[in-house]
Amino acid sequence: AQKVTQAQTEISVVEKEDVTLDCVYETRDTTYYLFWYKQPPSGELVFLIRRNSFDEQNEISGRYSWNFQKSTSSFNFTITASQVVDSAVYFCALRPITGGGNKLTFGTGTQLKVEL
Amino acid sequence: DVKVTQSSRYLVKRTGEKVFLECVQDMDHENMFWYRQDPGLGLRLIYFSYDVKMKEKGDIPEGYSVSREKKERFSLILESASTNQTSMYLCASSSPGQGAKYEQYFGPGTRLTVT
Repeated sequence: AQKVTQAQTEISVVEKEDVTLDCVYETRDTTYYLFWYKQPPSGELVFLIRRNSFDEQNEISGRYSWNFQKSTSSFNFTITASQVVDSAVYFCALRPITGGGNKLTFGTGTQLKVEL
Repeated sequence: DVKVTQSSRYLVKRTGEKVFLECVQDMDHENMFWYRQDPGLGLRLIYFSYDVKMKEKGDIPEGYSVSREKKERFSLILESASTNQTSMYLCASSSPGQGAKYEQYFGPGTRLTVT
């Protein structure tokens, strides 16, 4: 069985602050993908990043960075210098690379509010 | 760009009504999915389909059925709507293959209220 835990239900920050969204996962699969999605108020989930279990290199994309640590089963997401447009619900998700079809297991999401 | 569209953004139905939620994707994806999203529960998979006329149950299929007569269209059916089916429903599609790394693309969602 797979499980994704996002313990932070809601986070509020002031614009320009850095913020980290936590994601901890459980899986018996030895190979898997991890994802982050953003859901703005419009409702449509937007894909942000995919990381496979072979690659523990951290990734940076503009103000976004991701820290994957297999030893602690965590895939945390940091937004640097947050902006109001970053306000959204963020979901972490997991799927095996083989088996299980293309099904994603989602966490419960973290609501991020960035205020002026 | 991948486009996944859903027939309605907001829908209000009465208890006992039969409800159809339609989803269409324009990228020739084999895989299509229906999720429901509830506060504190995240996204939960209702049904998915790997191909035309094929369907498999997800984690919470009770009270729902699906139809996939054409590759681009995946319908979710509530045979007899109940108030506990009030939720946000999200459709998604993706490229085929169990080993494929392609992410799922989501539609804008349908917020269904059953009164």
